[in-house]
Amino acid sequence: KQEVTQIPAALSVPEGENLVLNCSFTDSAIYNLQWFRQDPGKGLTSLLLIQSSQREQTSGRLNASLDKSSGRSTLYIAASQPGDSATYLCAVRNFGNEKLTFGTGTRLTIIP
Amino acid sequence: DTAVSQTPKYLVTQMGNDKSIKCEQNLGHDTMYWYKQDSKKFLKIMFSYNNKELIINETVPNRFSPKSPDKAHLNLHINSLELGDSAVYFCASSHRDHSYEQYFGPGTRLTVT
Repeated sequence: KQEVTQIPAALSVPEGENLVLNCSFTDSAIYNLQWFRQDPGKGLTSLLLIQSSQREQTSGRLNASLDKSSGRSTLYIAASQPGDSATYLCAVRNFGNEKLTFGTGTRLTIIP
Repeated sequence: DTAVSQTPKYLVTQMGNDKSIKCEQNLGHDTMYWYKQDSKKFLKIMFSYNNKELIINETVPNRFSPKSPDKAHLNLHINSLELGDSAVYFCASSHRDHSYEQYFGPGTRLTVT
């Protein structure tokens, strides 16, 4: 059974800093991994999807990496801005399984 | 031009009532999902339909019944609502041609009193 963990549960950093969010999973037979952000009272916005055959994906100031063998993914945010404040969720899709297994999320606060 | 839409956004009802939540996607996706987000913000899959066929049913009480009239719609009907059903329910969709990347609706906040 796949389990996904995100540590820390909450993180506060000053504006302008670079930061890394962590995601770990127990079953390395993944099809892909997706990073989302969720603003309070809103739905989930897909940020990046990284396939099992890929090592990283980039979109603007965001970079996601994947290390299947160690069961880890990181989301790197460069030059953080107050608008980046949100909860960030990672989710894993295993081979032969249609569903996403979500992590517990990291609540990020960027301090102006 | 909303990709995945849900109605209603808020739903307040009393215990024992029956209610429905509707979901529509205009992305041409072939798979749709219902997720439940509890008070601790943990997201868990409930159901998934592919081309109107049920493919995931994750130990959800029989009071919950999904219905997919076509590929673009997946509705959720809940009978005999209980206090523990209070949560935010999210609809999502994906397509195998797009690596099953999932797109979520805005959520429906259900409060049972």
